[in-house]
Amino acid sequence: AQKITQTQPGMFVQEKEAVTLDCTYDTSDPSYGLFWYKQPSSGEMIFLIYQGSYDQQNATEGRYSLNFQKARKSANLVISASQLGDSAMYFCAIREKLTFGTGTRLTIIP
Amino acid sequence: DTAVSQTPKYLVTQMGNDKSIKCEQNLGHDTMYWYKQDSKKFLKIMFSYNNKELIINETVPNRFSPKSPDKAHLNLHINSLELGDSAVYFCASSQDQSVWGIPEAFFGQGTRLTVV
Repeated sequence: AQKITQTQPGMFVQEKEAVTLDCTYDTSDPSYGLFWYKQPSSGEMIFLIYQGSYDQQNATEGRYSLNFQKARKSANLVISASQLGDSAMYFCAIREKLTFGTGTRLTIIP
Repeated sequence: DTAVSQTPKYLVTQMGNDKSIKCEQNLGHDTMYWYKQDSKKFLKIMFSYNNKELIINETVPNRFSPKSPDKAHLNLHINSLELGDSAVYFCASSQDQSVWGIPEAFFGQGTRLTVV
């Protein structure tokens, strides 16, 4: 069975600072994938970034990067130079059965 | 064009009623999902279909029945609605990585169901 753990229910970060959102996972599948999604207060689910378990490099997408540590089973999302518009819920998910973690509410402080 | 569309966006109904939520995707994806998001924002998968076949059926009351007439549609029918069914329901679709590269799931805008 797959499992995703997000241990930070909420975070407050000063604008323009970098922020790391934690995600650990548990799976017995030899090949898997990990996603991060953003859910602003308007409610839509926005795909941010994906990491395949066999990808040679950590995924990056603009200000988003994924700190993938396979041996530790962690896939933390790093947001550089945070902006007010980054305030939202952030969800980590594993591809198999598309199972989501409990999410982290990020608030950017001006 | 909306990739994954759900109707209705809002649904207010009385306890005991039967209601349906429709979902359509125009992305050509093979897999579709239904999620329930409760007031604490936890996203719980309910069902998943691949090419019209049920592949995931989590512990969901049998009052909930998904129906997939074709691979572009996955509707959710709920019988005898209860107060605890109040939540936001999301439909999503995805495609296997082997065919399409990054296999991200695309979500509908959600249906806020309120049972009174």
